[in-house]
Amino acid sequence: GALVYQYPRRTICKSGTSMRMECQAVGFQATSVAWYRQSPQKTFELIALSTVNSAIKYEQNFTQEKFPISHPNLSFSSMTVLNAYLEDRGLYLCGAGHLNYAEQFFGPGTRLTVL
Amino acid sequence: QQKVQQSPESLSVPEGGMASLNCTSSDRNFQYFWWYRQHSGEGPKALMSIFSDGDKKEGRFTAHLNKASLHVSLHIRDSQPSDSALYFCAVYNTNTGKLTFGDGTVLTVKP
Repeated sequence: GALVYQYPRRTICKSGTSMRMECQAVGFQATSVAWYRQSPQKTFELIALSTVNSAIKYEQNFTQEKFPISHPNLSFSSMTVLNAYLEDRGLYLCGAGHLNYAEQFFGPGTRLTVL
Repeated sequence: QQKVQQSPESLSVPEGGMASLNCTSSDRNFQYFWWYRQHSGEGPKALMSIFSDGDKKEGRFTAHLNKASLHVSLHIRDSQPSDSALYFCAVYNTNTGKLTFGDGTVLTVKP
């Protein structure tokens, strides 16, 4: 079946430092990858979306300078949170999907705590 | 910007009861409504999608879509304590590949 792995599951960093997280889709051919942040209040914010037909597109309030993403292919993606501060804390979710099936499969997330 | 609104914010039902969740989109260009369920400590998992007017049933879960009003509901019959979770409605746009989430409904099923 389709699975999405994320690593690490939890991370703690000091304010002003950076951390990198990874996402891997297994068991299907991903044609889109999206990164989201789920706030402590459980609301979702889309950070960026990549599809097989387009380059990485960042949403308003999120920039490549702050959240650089790299992926050699759509089955593997990594994102870094640069210069993390308190407002960056939350659960970072990776959603990998297949455009033809209009579905995204999610990993368990990387929980970021900023001290 | 597309908005997806869910109600109620929280819901409590007895075991064996019926839970009903609601969702409305502001975007007439939507293509699919999805219902996701998220248990504590996990990522969201897809329950079902609906695109056509009317009902779609999968086991104990039934989704109902009214395209004219852009309203979708999810009904869970014979609710179990394991159904206790956060339920999200999401709208998928196949042109952009973008999935827009509502703010969620917390469902508690009491034994």
